[in-house]
Amino acid sequence: DTGVSQNPRHKITKRGQNVTFRCDPISEHNRLYWYRQTLGQGPEFLTYFQNEAQLEKSRLLSDRFSAERPKGSFSTLEIQRTEQGDSAMYLCASSPWTGGAEGYTFGSGTRLTVV
Amino acid sequence: AQTVTQSQPEMSVQEAETVTLSCTYDTSESDYYLFWYKQPPSRQMILVIRQEAYKQQNATENRFSVNFQKAAKSFSLKISDSQLGDAAMYFCAYRKSNTGKLIFGQGTTLQVKP
Repeated sequence: DTGVSQNPRHKITKRGQNVTFRCDPISEHNRLYWYRQTLGQGPEFLTYFQNEAQLEKSRLLSDRFSAERPKGSFSTLEIQRTEQGDSAMYLCASSPWTGGAEGYTFGSGTRLTVV
Repeated sequence: AQTVTQSQPEMSVQEAETVTLSCTYDTSESDYYLFWYKQPPSRQMILVIRQEAYKQQNATENRFSVNFQKAAKSFSLKISDSQLGDAAMYFCAYRKSNTGKLIFGQGTTLQVKP
């Protein structure tokens, strides 16, 4: 098991373009999370899945953001009509779910720059 | 809404000495979990230590220990015998029981001086 994998590592896009990121979690983890982190700040929750079901989505997330986890395996995060304010590190994490104090395993993130 | 506050943006410690990072949180829940995560520069975040709110005993993991004060809603991290590899940004985080959403503080950057 190679941990949580995120692709691409870096993405530079022009304002107004759509971008899609991929996250491959640890295979036996049934929960998957997306966070956004700007420089020098703590990660900000975006959404999370249990298997293929999206259980919660941040109210801070505009309609331009959508996430999927088909078949409960990998997940994609799409941002439509990107804006400069979308520039950030997008972190994916996964965890098992046993109803206890499970910690997340994070990926290395995808750094998005909108120019 | 639950919030997590780390009031120390930056801390420094001499190698081999002890440092304590502060964290306070606000919640009306009685059942929750608290975590400290470490994020080294340009590297992924890793879990340092976790605490269940229903446990009175403070968690320890080798050189890392916490001081959990439930009534005061305080959750500090103590790093003993600091090493150069401990230099990183440290995040305190809260999760309500039976949810997956983890709420992070703003982080504390720890510098370790040789």
